[in-house]
Amino acid sequence: EVQLVESGGGLVQPGRSMKLSCAASGFTFSNYGMAWVRQAPTKGLEWVATISYDGSSTYYRDSVKGRFTISRDNAKSTLYLQMNSLRSEDTATYYCTRDTMGILDYWGQGVMVTVSS
Amino acid sequence: EIVLTQSPTTMAASPGEKVTLTCLASSSVNYMYWYQQKSSASPKLLIYYTSSLASGVPDRFSGSGSGTSYSLTISSMEAEDAAIYYCLQLTSTPITFGSGTKLEIK
Repeated sequence: EVQLVESGGGLVQPGRSMKLSCAASGFTFSNYGMAWVRQAPTKGLEWVATISYDGSSTYYRDSVKGRFTISRDNAKSTLYLQMNSLRSEDTATYYCTRDTMGILDYWGQGVMVTVSS
Repeated sequence: EIVLTQSPTTMAASPGEKVTLTCLASSSVNYMYWYQQKSSASPKLLIYYTSSLASGVPDRFSGSGSGTSYSLTISSMEAEDAAIYYCLQLTSTPITFGSGTKLEIK
């Protein structure tokens, strides 16, 4: 059974950093691209970043470029999102999702990040 | 950036009623994807590659369209289908979602 379990969220002050993790199981992690998608409270879904199966290619939405870094450790079957210089508008539930040939098929349960002083 | 416009924003349907949700893209996309989200749960894939049904999804759901116009159809509304539905395009970066259609049961 495919499982994606996010962790690392919580309350953080504006301008500070936070690192999210997504532990994958039930599939060969190193064969799949992965992505982070977020959802602000009562709002819609917003793509954040994508990484290729081997980590060689990464893509970001403009609003997080230069502040967020997506990475992966295939030996640990874990996806990461390093978030620096956090802003109030980054407050959201962050989901990790698996990319199967251009299909975001499996999603984690999400982790909440609240940026507030 | 490809903007996806979903309509209607909100609607209510009676059990057994046929429901059609629309997603219009600002530029042509190769495929459309549809997700269902209930309450505060994570999104669930319903349709991929425009018209392929995801595993475990009831066959009352179907997808169609091409170019800039796509739709999701529920052939016979059930109470459990009450949710928010999002379309998604992966043709170009940034990946974009529609703003969602909230579907309620009458």
